[in-house]
Amino acid sequence: GAVVSQHPSWVICKSGTSVKIECRSLDFQATTMFWYRQFPKQSLMLMATSNEGSKATYEQGVEKDKFLINHASLTLSTLTVTSAHPEDSSFYICSASTGGPPTGKLFFGSGTQLSVL
Amino acid sequence: QKEVEQNSGPLSVPEGAIASLNCTYSDRGSQSFFWYRQYSGKSPELIMFIYSNGDKEDGRFTAQLNKASQYVSLLIRDSQPSDSATYLCAVGFQGGSEKLVFGKGTKLTVNP
Repeated sequence: GAVVSQHPSWVICKSGTSVKIECRSLDFQATTMFWYRQFPKQSLMLMATSNEGSKATYEQGVEKDKFLINHASLTLSTLTVTSAHPEDSSFYICSASTGGPPTGKLFFGSGTQLSVL
Repeated sequence: QKEVEQNSGPLSVPEGAIASLNCTYSDRGSQSFFWYRQYSGKSPELIMFIYSNGDKEDGRFTAQLNKASQYVSLLIRDSQPSDSATYLCAVGFQGGSEKLVFGKGTKLTVNP
């Protein structure tokens, strides 16, 4: 299957700082990437859709000024959690699609465990 | 509101048995259906996908789809302890969007 690389795997930061997470498609070009958040024992919740060369589309309830997404190339999308607070502590996962069919066949990065102190 | 429901489990089966995981979805127009396996602390891994009614087999895994009943299942034959994980059901929206809605997952434990 396709390979999606995500870094860092885990990060611990102080409240109020910003954290950047990178997501790269290693062996394919991804015009669209997705960012998910997962709290313990909960399902993946889609935060935003990252489109290469255009603004990200955020899901309802997700603050676009807090979760900055940049998709500058066909292989790289970044998520920056700005002014992180303890309630932002979660497992963040990116994913990308190699294209259909079937549409929606996603490959996930390894995830980033964020802990905000 | 598009919803995907799964029994959270845990589901325990003995080694060598068949594990049956079930999922229902609310959007009748959904077109694509996926099963992901997620080990604790890891990201999901695609196991199976199906988009036509009926069964689809891949090795020890069989996905079953019944669009009339809005039901999709995953059967794991000859279950192994290494199959112990949380299995996530995901459903694609009508219209071919790549956005997926995930269920909360079913935790499976295969006992040696």
